[in-house]
Amino acid sequence: ETGVTQSPTHLIKTRGQQVTLRCSSQSGHNTVSWYQQALGQGPQFIFQYYREEENGRGNFPPRFSGLQFPNYSSELNVNALELDDSALYLCAFSRDRGYEQYFGPGTRLTVT
Amino acid sequence: AQRVTQPEKLLSVFKGAPVELKCNYSYSGSPELFWYVQYSRQRLQLLLRHISRESIKGFTADLNKGETSFHLKKPFAQEEDSAMYYCALSHPGSYGKLTFGQGTILTVHP
Repeated sequence: ETGVTQSPTHLIKTRGQQVTLRCSSQSGHNTVSWYQQALGQGPQFIFQYYREEENGRGNFPPRFSGLQFPNYSSELNVNALELDDSALYLCAFSRDRGYEQYFGPGTRLTVT
Repeated sequence: AQRVTQPEKLLSVFKGAPVELKCNYSYSGSPELFWYVQYSRQRLQLLLRHISRESIKGFTADLNKGETSFHLKKPFAQEEDSAMYYCALSHPGSYGKLTFGQGTILTVHP
């Protein structure tokens, strides 16, 4: 078990605001990917960080940004929130960009 | 652009019946394909990967490049197989950058 945690569990924001979501793992895995999962849809890849550098990005605007820290934990920041940003945000850790990904429980973001 | 299609949102079978969850993909080249599963109140987890050609929990999946399909099969479904199943694709070597299908909810009735 890799102990992937995400915080907060839920949050509600207003359109135009900014939000920061956090993700960490006890495993020491150095690669983290973020996904957005809208209701009734599969997860959609936002970006990946490997050893603190962005290592690929999906079709998301620049107002979605991220960080990875030396301990491999990560943040997802979203600026100028829009109603369509309401979704479950998942992070997943892996070792050295490997195929075995370990997902967190997700953060449910609601934008009103 | 790469895409994964799971044509069935819901699939219901009885215990002991065979089950097949369909997955079709579009990709120019040879992708890596995966099945992920999410049981009730649990996290998304990897079920199997096409390269490994393993049988996990009795499930198998064969990559058919001609039909661009990667269907998940099990000969005898069990109630504990009830879950959401996602088919996913990545570029070879870009494992963390998955393209997921919309998912199929499998319900196995007693």
